[in-house]
Amino acid sequence: DIQMTQSPSSLSASVGDRVTITCRASQSINNYLNWYQQKPGKAPKLLIYGASSLQSGVPSRFSGRGSGTDFTLTISSLQPEDLATYYCQQSSRAPLTFGGGTKVEIK
Amino acid sequence: EVQLVESGGGLVQPGGSLSLSCAAYGFTFGAYWFSWVRQAPGKGLEWVANIKEDGSEKYYVDSVKGRFTISRDNAKGSLSLQMNSLRAEDTAVYFCARDKSGVGPTKLDSWGQGALVTVSS
Repeated sequence: DIQMTQSPSSLSASVGDRVTITCRASQSINNYLNWYQQKPGKAPKLLIYGASSLQSGVPSRFSGRGSGTDFTLTISSLQPEDLATYYCQQSSRAPLTFGGGTKVEIK
Repeated sequence: EVQLVESGGGLVQPGGSLSLSCAAYGFTFGAYWFSWVRQAPGKGLEWVANIKEDGSEKYYVDSVKGRFTISRDNAKGSLSLQMNSLRAEDTAVYFCARDKSGVGPTKLDSWGQGALVTVSS
């Protein structure tokens, strides 16, 4: 199985800060990498698919980069509503696997 | 509007069975793969299974193989997860999610609200 490792596991940043979350795959997954946002008590929401494509309706302050084994999710200017846990997920092969999550808190 | 609504969660004893359903609205159900994803209390997301548009292909995480069965009824726009031989570690909120359409990689672009399954004596 492909292991997905996210870092950091949590972070605290101020409104307006640039935030970057890293996801590393245990083997190459090309660009088969998705990012999800999960707010407390809610279902996850797709933010980014194919490593860098923004899902319809998602604010442009979210962006994704990477290929192979190393990927990043960046929030260019953190907003209060971005309080959430963020997960990466590889879609290269079954079983589909998620990273452990990054909890983003607002200072 | 795309909507997925899960039902069937509840409390079950270890070794017991439970069936979850997911009703879909607002799109052509038969044109998409579907996945089940679970989240144990306070933990991260774990993909459980997915099923092809016509039901001809199914994939499972190792921990549920032989115990869980994913199925679908395209005429009714419904997805199911039959869970047998349940264990305490299966306790989680189970989400159904719309998966890809056709070939290409998975992207779970719509999710239900989740159904809580608690396995306990």
